[in-house]
Amino acid sequence: ETGVTQTPRHLVMGMTNKKSLKCEQHLGHNAMYWYKQSAKKPLELMFVYSLEERVENNSVPSRFSPECPNSSHLFLHLHTLQPEDSALYLCASSPDLNNEQFFGPGTRLTVL
Amino acid sequence: GIQVEQSPPDLILQEGANSTLRCNFSDSVNNLQWFHQNPWGQLINLFYIPSGTKQNGRLSATTVATERYSLLYISSSQTTDSGVYFCAVNYAGNMLTFGGGTRLMVKP
Repeated sequence: ETGVTQTPRHLVMGMTNKKSLKCEQHLGHNAMYWYKQSAKKPLELMFVYSLEERVENNSVPSRFSPECPNSSHLFLHLHTLQPEDSALYLCASSPDLNNEQFFGPGTRLTVL
Repeated sequence: GIQVEQSPPDLILQEGANSTLRCNFSDSVNNLQWFHQNPWGQLINLFYIPSGTKQNGRLSATTVATERYSLLYISSSQTTDSGVYFCAVNYAGNMLTFGGGTRLMVKP
C-alpha cells in the first residue's frame, strides 16, 4: 500500500463510451500526476497538477480530460477513445513538485 | 529532452545470485528514483537517490550525479525479486522521465 488508490482496477470500454478513472491519495501531498504505460514503451507523463492547478500537459489528445477538484483527488475523463489508447494508466502523488513520487496500482484499460 | 537508458534490458538469475542494474542519463538531474514493477503493474518505490549511496536490506543503490549514472545492486536474489526495474529522473522540475526498464527473472 503506497497511500495512493485507483479505481477501477480494470476497465473495458467501447470507442463511443464515456468513462472516468479516479485516483485518491491519503498522504497529504500537493502534487498529483497521470502517467500512461503502453506495451513496449516507457512510462509517459500525461498531466501534472500542483495545488489543484494544472502545470503540465504533455501533448495529450483532447479525448483525455483531467480534473483535480482538490489536492486529494484526481480524475481522468475518457471519451471517444481509440484501440491504441489501451494501456495501464498510473496515478502518482508527491509532497510537492520535484519530490519523490508514489504510485497507485493503476487502471488497466482496454478499448474495443 | 533527457535520455534515460537502462542496462541490461533482460536478466535471468539463479536464486541466490547477485546482480547490478545500470541507469545512464544524458543531462544533469534534480533527483532520481528506482522502482520495482510487480506482475500486477504496481510500481513500488525502492530508492529516492539524487546522489550518494543508500541501502535497504538486500538492495542498495549508488548515484554518481557528476558522471550521470546510477546503479542498483541486488544481493542474494529471491524469486520474489522478479519483475521490471525502472529508473526515473526528474530534470525539469515537474516530470519524471523513465528508462526502458530491466526485466529480471529469478529462477528457483
